[in-house]
Amino acid sequence: GDSVTQMEGPVTLSEEAFLTINCTYTATGYPSLFWYVQYPGEGLQLLLKATKADDKGSNKGFEATYRKETTSFHLEKGSVQVSDSAVYFCALAIVDRGSTLGRLYFGRGTQLTVWP
Amino acid sequence: DAGITQSPRHKVTETGTPVTLRCHQTENHRYMYWYRQDPGHGLRLIHYSYGVKDTDKGEVSDGYSVSRSKTEDFLLTLESATSSQTSVYFCAIRHLGGPYNEQFFGPGTRLTVL
Repeated sequence: GDSVTQMEGPVTLSEEAFLTINCTYTATGYPSLFWYVQYPGEGLQLLLKATKADDKGSNKGFEATYRKETTSFHLEKGSVQVSDSAVYFCALAIVDRGSTLGRLYFGRGTQLTVWP
Repeated sequence: DAGITQSPRHKVTETGTPVTLRCHQTENHRYMYWYRQDPGHGLRLIHYSYGVKDTDKGEVSDGYSVSRSKTEDFLLTLESATSSQTSVYFCAIRHLGGPYNEQFFGPGTRLTVL
């Protein structure tokens, strides 16, 4: 079945360090891929997305490239800030125009803490 | 901001009592979802709706029911709350018009069942 496997945390970094959070997926169709971020006490916010192989999603200095050959969508940021401390979720959705569900499959989340 | 509110934001209740959580949206979206978030599990789909009075089960629907009598409101009911239903509950909507199936989430309801 469709699923997402995400790097377990917690991840602790110093400010300005490089960030990578690994995400791999299993999908029977042609998924769209997402990264969501959840700040303390808040709901999930869409951070970035990619809809086909080799697409690169980017937002707020974060990037992720849809790699079909390795079924991966790793999240990266070149220089993290304290304000990036949050939980990050990788997710996939199967693009199926005939389906009414359009559900998302989530990874378990990775807690990121950035120290000044 | 997708115009999604959830109420209540926090609730403490006792085992065996009924609980209803409300999700309200202001943008006339057809698709609405209820998820629960638990440590080590990410988010898991409870129920979803694809229109007024059209609902279906997700992967963790046991012990939950939903209703959608009008487009803007999607209610989640725990008929007889159990401690295993202590969780954070998120409502989401899905935009139509694009192929991405991306969803936008409400602020969540933290439910504690004692």
